[in-house]
Amino acid sequence: SAVISQKPSRDICQRGTSLTIQCQVDSQVTMMFWYRQQPGQSLTLIATANQGSEATYESGFVIDKFPISRPNLTFSTLTVSNMSPEDSSIYLCSVMPGQAYEQYFGPGTRLTVT
Amino acid sequence: AQTVTQSQPEMSVQEAETVTLSCTYDTSESNYYLFWYKQPPSRQMILVIRQEAYKQQNATENRFSVNFQKAAKSFSLKISDSQLGDTAMYFCAFMIGNAGKSTFGDGTTLTVKP
Repeated sequence: SAVISQKPSRDICQRGTSLTIQCQVDSQVTMMFWYRQQPGQSLTLIATANQGSEATYESGFVIDKFPISRPNLTFSTLTVSNMSPEDSSIYLCSVMPGQAYEQYFGPGTRLTVT
Repeated sequence: AQTVTQSQPEMSVQEAETVTLSCTYDTSESNYYLFWYKQPPSRQMILVIRQEAYKQQNATENRFSVNFQKAAKSFSLKISDSQLGDTAMYFCAFMIGNAGKSTFGDGTTLTVKP
């Protein structure tokens, strides 16, 4: 298993600004993922962040808008840039430890853009 | 592309009774995993149960069991002896091999009534 923490847990931001979300895992993991979830709705994968390589973005998400860093095997950041109200959502960090073939999720960051 | 369909947006069940949540998926892959995740209101998403596609035996975890029908591409979750703490949104998810990233259904909101 893996214990994941995210910072901040929630934030209210002004339009046009940027927010960096941190994800910390209690063990080394190769695969980390960033998801977006509207309250009460499904999860949409933003990107896969593997240490030592560039993040892989899903269709509809671009690096300029959602830059990701993965400096080591226990930490990653997601930045939401030039925010608009449409970016208001819950952002979830997830990992797949080793060969577990299952994902563990962080508590999420609830972002509101005004 | 893989798709996951949960046809029941909302369900309710009386405490101590049994409820079944439906999930169908579509894929041409042969090596994959299926999951049910639970997301309680305003709380962290947790894994409920996992099924490997190559296993014919249905997975069980205490009060939770699945009915995996590979040919029909169906993967339902049965919750026995429902408890108030089972109230949550339940997501069916699909993962190819060891890709890590998962495709999620739209979720089913389950309410357990006292």
